[in-house]
Amino acid sequence: DTGVSQDPRHKITKRGQNVTFRCDPISEHNRLYWYRQTLGQGPEFLTYFQNEAQLEKSRLLSDRFSAERPKGSFSTLEIQRTEQGDSAMYLCASSPDRGPSLYSYEQYFGPGTRLTVT
Amino acid sequence: QKEVEQNSGPLSVPEGAIASLNCTYSDRVSQSFFWYRQYSGKSPELIMSIYSNGDKEDGRFTAQLNKASQYVSLLIRDSQPSDSATYLCAVNSRVGGKLIFGQGTELSVKP
Repeated sequence: DTGVSQDPRHKITKRGQNVTFRCDPISEHNRLYWYRQTLGQGPEFLTYFQNEAQLEKSRLLSDRFSAERPKGSFSTLEIQRTEQGDSAMYLCASSPDRGPSLYSYEQYFGPGTRLTVT
Repeated sequence: QKEVEQNSGPLSVPEGAIASLNCTYSDRVSQSFFWYRQYSGKSPELIMSIYSNGDKEDGRFTAQLNKASQYVSLLIRDSQPSDSATYLCAVNSRVGGKLIFGQGTELSVKP
């Protein structure tokens, strides 16, 4: 079990450019989540998938953001026409469909992608 | 009212003391509760999960849940300088769904 991986770890881009991030979940984890974290705040939910189905999107996710998980394995998060306010740590997490108890779906985070928009 | 509230700290305790971290949540139907530890510049690391009222112990960590009071806490016994980090409380209102995080409490353990 190699854990959740994310690529790239750091991305610096100019305002107006498009960026794409990749997340590879823990193998056999069917659920994959994207969060965004800014300095001094807890992570904020963006979207999540069960297998290839996108089950929920946050109202925070403007139409410049799109996420995919085409084969139910890795996922990509694309931000179009980046703005300085998009600068943040983008975190991916995965969980199994069932945890130690009926109500647990423990989420494990990857190392994150730090985005800086100049 | 924020959905999940934590004191931002910093909370400073001497080495060997008990650190007590608190969290309240607003959604009464919340199902699962988690504590994550986050070192500066790193991603959150799951340290405890709790689903039913009462205490759950794991090594030096004890999570406490009181659903009637909508309150979750984390106790760290015999605190070590390596415990210095931000502790995030997270709540899951729908099974398998998104986590709602508090802003985190910064803990500093002084040698």
